[in-house]
Amino acid sequence: DVKVTQSSRYLVKRTGEKVFLECVQDMDHENMFWYRQDPGLGLRLIYFSYDVKMKEKGDIPEGYSVSREKKERFSLILESASTNQTSMYLCASSPRQGRTYEQYFGPGTRLTVT
Amino acid sequence: AQKVTQAQTEISVVEKEDVTLDCVYETRDTTYYLFWYKQPPSGELVFLIRRNSFDEQNEISGRYSWNFQKSTSSFNFTITASQVVDSAVYFCALSEEPSGYSTLTFGKGTMLLVSP
Repeated sequence: DVKVTQSSRYLVKRTGEKVFLECVQDMDHENMFWYRQDPGLGLRLIYFSYDVKMKEKGDIPEGYSVSREKKERFSLILESASTNQTSMYLCASSPRQGRTYEQYFGPGTRLTVT
Repeated sequence: AQKVTQAQTEISVVEKEDVTLDCVYETRDTTYYLFWYKQPPSGELVFLIRRNSFDEQNEISGRYSWNFQKSTSSFNFTITASQVVDSAVYFCALSEEPSGYSTLTFGKGTMLLVSP
């Protein structure tokens, strides 16, 4: 079974703080993704990575950065958290072998910025 | 640009009723993949099905069935004899990435509430 874990289920931070959200997968998947989920907007892709140290912007990268130093770990960084970044953050992974595969999701981190 | 529309924001049914969740997509590619995910109250998205654009056969898995029609760009999901445990948000998604990046465009989701 694919296992995607996220460092926290709930997180409360103050405006201006630097926030790290960590994601780890144990299936040796090449691709990893960060989404945010907001009511009425569905899931929107923030960033994804197809290999170690490689990253690509998604649909809403502004205000975020990412880091992938090891294959199994993909971090989302909020350099200076703002209240409009209060959201549910979902990490996912999928294999990359020249075909499109389903993504496997972690349990999510509900971030509140006050 | 690709787009996925789930016009039904919320559906309420009584247990044992059949229910169909609609999904309409837009894409310029001839090769693409369609997905359905379930998000129960616990929050974790659960993969249900993947379909490629060359396979229009309907699929049935227990009480779940999917109807893929390229002519209407639809990929609808039917739950037969719904149960309370089917209560969840359901997302339809589209991928146009045959290169293997597997990026998905999600619809906004349909919340299904099944009452006893």
